[in-house]
Amino acid sequence: AQSVTQPDIHITVSEGASLELRCNYSYGATPYLFWYVQSPGQGLQLLLKYFSGDTLVQGIKGFEAEFKRSQSSFNLRKPSVHWSDAAEYFCAVGNNDMRFGAGTRLTVKP
Amino acid sequence: DTGVSQNPRHKITKRGQNVTFRCDPISEHNRLYWYRQTLGQGPEFLTYFQNEAQLEKSRLLSDRFSAERPKGSFSTLEIQRTEQGDSAMYLCASSPPVRGKQETQYFGPGTRLLVL
Repeated sequence: AQSVTQPDIHITVSEGASLELRCNYSYGATPYLFWYVQSPGQGLQLLLKYFSGDTLVQGIKGFEAEFKRSQSSFNLRKPSVHWSDAAEYFCAVGNNDMRFGAGTRLTVKP
Repeated sequence: DTGVSQNPRHKITKRGQNVTFRCDPISEHNRLYWYRQTLGQGPEFLTYFQNEAQLEKSRLLSDRFSAERPKGSFSTLEIQRTEQGDSAMYLCASSPPVRGKQETQYFGPGTRLLVL
């Protein structure tokens, strides 16, 4: 069965610092992987996705993620965090019936 | 391009009452999805439609839940005899016709349900 684990419930980083959010998945075939961001009162916004090809994918707002099949991971990174990046981040895997992780809440310190 | 819209945005009801939510997908998106999100959790898949056909339903979708998409455009999700455990955010998403193996799902703002 497909599943997603986001090991970090809450992460705090200083503005300008680098960020890495972890995501591990379990999927029987080639996974379709996604990162979404959810701000309070807002819908889920797609940051980036991986279907195939280059394992390093670029997304919006300066985010990138790397697919590592050997580690079953799809970690999200950003070199320099901005205060506006504070939000809940969800990793998801699957096809039509997507499975989401429980989310990682990002707090940005001034 | 208008995004996915959901109505109402908030709903408060008493236990045992029926509620209905509406989702209007992005124009020309033929697939429509319903998810439920409880506090502190990620969204959980409920069901999805391709045009008017309901192709998959999660075990989470008990017999009190019914979803329709009669003309392949908007969709409704009805919950009968609501229970306090139904309190959650109900999210709708849509995706365009599949050109490859999968298309991105675009989410609406959700309907927050509180059952008293």
